[in-house]
Order: sequence, then C-alpha cells, then structure tokens
Amino acid sequence: GESVGLHLPTLSVQEGDNSIINCAYSNSASDYFIWYKQESGKGPQFIIDIRSNMDKRQGQRVTVLLNKTVKHLSLQIAATQPGDSAVYFCAENRPARQLTFGSGTQLTVLP
Amino acid sequence: KAGVTQTPRYLIKTRGQQVTLSCSPISGHRSVSWYQQTPGQGLQFLFEYFSETQRNKGNFPGRFSGRQFSNSRSEMNVSTLELGDSALYLCASSFRGGDTGELFFGEGSRLTVL
Repeated sequence: GESVGLHLPTLSVQEGDNSIINCAYSNSASDYFIWYKQESGKGPQFIIDIRSNMDKRQGQRVTVLLNKTVKHLSLQIAATQPGDSAVYFCAENRPARQLTFGSGTQLTVLP
Repeated sequence: KAGVTQTPRYLIKTRGQQVTLSCSPISGHRSVSWYQQTPGQGLQFLFEYFSETQRNKGNFPGRFSGRQFSNSRSEMNVSTLELGDSALYLCASSFRGGDTGELFFGEGSRLTVL
C-alpha cells in the first residue's frame, strides 16, 4: 500500500497568506522526505528535502516540518503568490533508489 | 545549462503497438529514472539507470523496458500497448541518483493509446 499520502486533495489560499500542505507517512523506518511542485504541463520540480535527524528545514519562502512521533510532515509556503499555484507532492526515498510519491495537493492561490 | 529533454512530447498509438520514448539528461548527470503519471495511480517509479546499468525496477510488467547509453541518454520502450498505458511518462536525472531525492524532471512524453 501507499507509504506516503497527503491529507487534502485541494487547498485554496488568498494571495499573500501562508499556505500549509500536510503529508502523512506510515513507515517508522522512513528517514528521508522530499517535496515537489508540479505546475500544469510541466514535470515535477524539487522544492526542499529533509532527513529524519532534523525537525525543520527552511528554504526560500518554504519551511518543511517533520514530526516523527505522529509520522507527519508539512510544507509551509510564506506569502503565497500566484506562481505558487500547482500540485504539491511529498515523496520518500524508499525503497532505495526510487521515489514513492503521495497523491498530491492542488494549491490554488486566489487573488 | 539545458534541462532534461524528452521526445516526443505527445504521441498517439493503438493497442498492440509498441512505443519508444527518449530522454536526454542534464549534462554530467549519470542517473536517469523513469516515472509513469496517471490520474488514478499518480506518480509511479518504473526504473533507474546509472552508467548504463539498471539499478532498480518498479512493479511494472515486462512489457516496460529501458536502456541507457554511454552518453547517459536513455530510452524506454513499451511493447504490446494496452489502453491502461495511456499516461504521462516522465524522465528524471541526477548526478548520482540513489541517496539523493533531488531529481530533475523533464516535461514528459504524453502517450495516448486508442
């Protein structure tokens, strides 16, 4: 069965607000997670990754939080912009040398 | 630096035919992976090649095959096409593959099987 998943298939936010996209996983041994963004008509694009020895990692306008106790991770996007509209996937690098993707959340930024 | 290039971008085939898709990775990248994306199953791993060797294979039937050339370019082939093979086929490259989750994806080849 699926080892990573996403909580909500769609999410709408107002431009300028912060977005939070959630993802759950089931395997306690999972130790490396990655977030991808896929815009319409394009391939997925790497956003940020996090390993299990970290609880938080920040990038440019994005923060990923990992809660190993409840097997949950989230991607936070600050000051959401229209260009952030896309499908967001969490993925894990398991089994080895392949990515297992969740089902994705469609983020829509409202003007 | 040029990105990952996939050809053709769109193609239509009929059941029973075969298809070959091509992928040119980013210069210097030695790992090429292939993924199938469908509305029902999402993104699913097909296989990964590194230095012309298949290192990993997903749970797809033997009709799906691939190869990698000495210049790291890769092809995948699907024989005896079925309607369910209609999908976006994505190629991704990375310098070493394996431990990194940072893959660089192409825009995909959209296959329609009639």
